[in-house]
Amino acid sequence: DQQVKQNSPSLSVQEGRISILNCDYTNSMFDYFLWYKKYPAEGPTFLISISSIKDKNEDGRFTVFLNKSAKHLSLHIVPSQPGDSAVYFCAASLASGGSNYKLTFGKGTLLTVNP
Amino acid sequence: ETGVTQSPTHLIKTRGQQVTLRCSSQSGHNTVSWYQQALGQGPQFIFQYYREEENGRGNFPPRFSGLQFPNYSSELNVNALELDDSALYLCASSFVLAGYNEQFFGPGTRLTVL
Repeated sequence: DQQVKQNSPSLSVQEGRISILNCDYTNSMFDYFLWYKKYPAEGPTFLISISSIKDKNEDGRFTVFLNKSAKHLSLHIVPSQPGDSAVYFCAASLASGGSNYKLTFGKGTLLTVNP
Repeated sequence: ETGVTQSPTHLIKTRGQQVTLRCSSQSGHNTVSWYQQALGQGPQFIFQYYREEENGRGNFPPRFSGLQFPNYSSELNVNALELDDSALYLCASSFVLAGYNEQFFGPGTRLTVL
């Protein structure tokens, strides 16, 4: 039972173009979402998050969009740079109260940005 | 500010043995979580510790156990190792605050069970 799904195992884009990574979730109780980037031999690095009370959050070149009715979120990277090449994980959690503990991850999408 | 550190980096054990993995939380964080990442998968939640007590557990058997110490460092212990326990074990620390759940990960310990 995979509650967070990243259906694209890989994505390849040209430097300077937009990268769009997608994520779907099935548990309607999730109300906090995060994106992590992972390089080989390193732990996941936190990128950006969004609460379910918002539909968009921006941080520099990174923007996350949340569509609660569709249970879908996406990460946009503009412009893409070769250093962005990594595996990107979508994660979801319950933000409130005593359940504020567990991150549920997707399987990840390998992004390759070509010079 | 020191980030999350884990030791050892790599470990090789044989089936049936026991292993202890260690983690030091990021300064100022009071919560530590452990995740298992198998090849080609996302991290899977094992358990979390808050104020030295287990604060939630994923779908892992009791032979996976943990400790959190007063200085917020933590251990993950796995008894009776099985071949399927081969994975990257990630520790993540956070400062629990309602409405926010950014967890910051260490580099992981790569465990190989032969």
